[in-house]
Amino acid sequence: AQSVTQLDSQVPVFEEAPVELRCNYSSSVSVYLFWYVQYPNQGLQLLLKYLSGSTLVKGINGFEAEFNKSQTSFHLRKPSVHISDTAEYFCAVSARDQKLVFGQGTRLTINP
Amino acid sequence: DTAVSQTPKYLVTQMGNDKSIKCEQNLGHDTMYWYKQDSKKFLKIMFSYNNKELIINETVPNRFSPKSPDKAHLNLHINSLELGDSAVYFCASSLGTGGFFATEAFFGQGTRLTVV
Repeated sequence: AQSVTQLDSQVPVFEEAPVELRCNYSSSVSVYLFWYVQYPNQGLQLLLKYLSGSTLVKGINGFEAEFNKSQTSFHLRKPSVHISDTAEYFCAVSARDQKLVFGQGTRLTINP
Repeated sequence: DTAVSQTPKYLVTQMGNDKSIKCEQNLGHDTMYWYKQDSKKFLKIMFSYNNKELIINETVPNRFSPKSPDKAHLNLHINSLELGDSAVYFCASSLGTGGFFATEAFFGQGTRLTVV
């Protein structure tokens, strides 16, 4: 079975500063990795996903993530955040014919 | 056009009541899911259906019963509601034959259930 740990429950940053949200996973088989965003009172929206190939994955809204197999990590980054990026971010992992498992979420708060 | 729609968005009810949440997807996906998000934002899968067939059934009380009349609909019926059932319930859908096989999951807006 797969599991995922988001290392920070809350991350406050100033507007236009860079941000990194950390995610580590555990699995005995090859995995697929995802980052979802949940804006207040909204459903979840896919930011980006890693299935195979290039380890640097670019997503929507200027976000990117890097798959690091040796460190079993899939950290999410953005070089310059905006107030509108304030949301809950979820890392998730799955494998072939396996259910999607979510991390505990990281609340990103952008301060002006 | 909403891809995955849930109704109602908010549901307030008394303990002991029976309630249903409806979910419909117009994406042509084969697989649908129910997730529960607790007060700490933790998301946990409850059920997964593929072409009307139950695929995943996590450890969920028998009071929760999913029903899939066709592959575009997955409803959740809850009997004898308890205070601990208060949460946000998300419906989702994806392509694939069972689990999230390398595909994106599309989520509904959620149903906030409050049991008083």
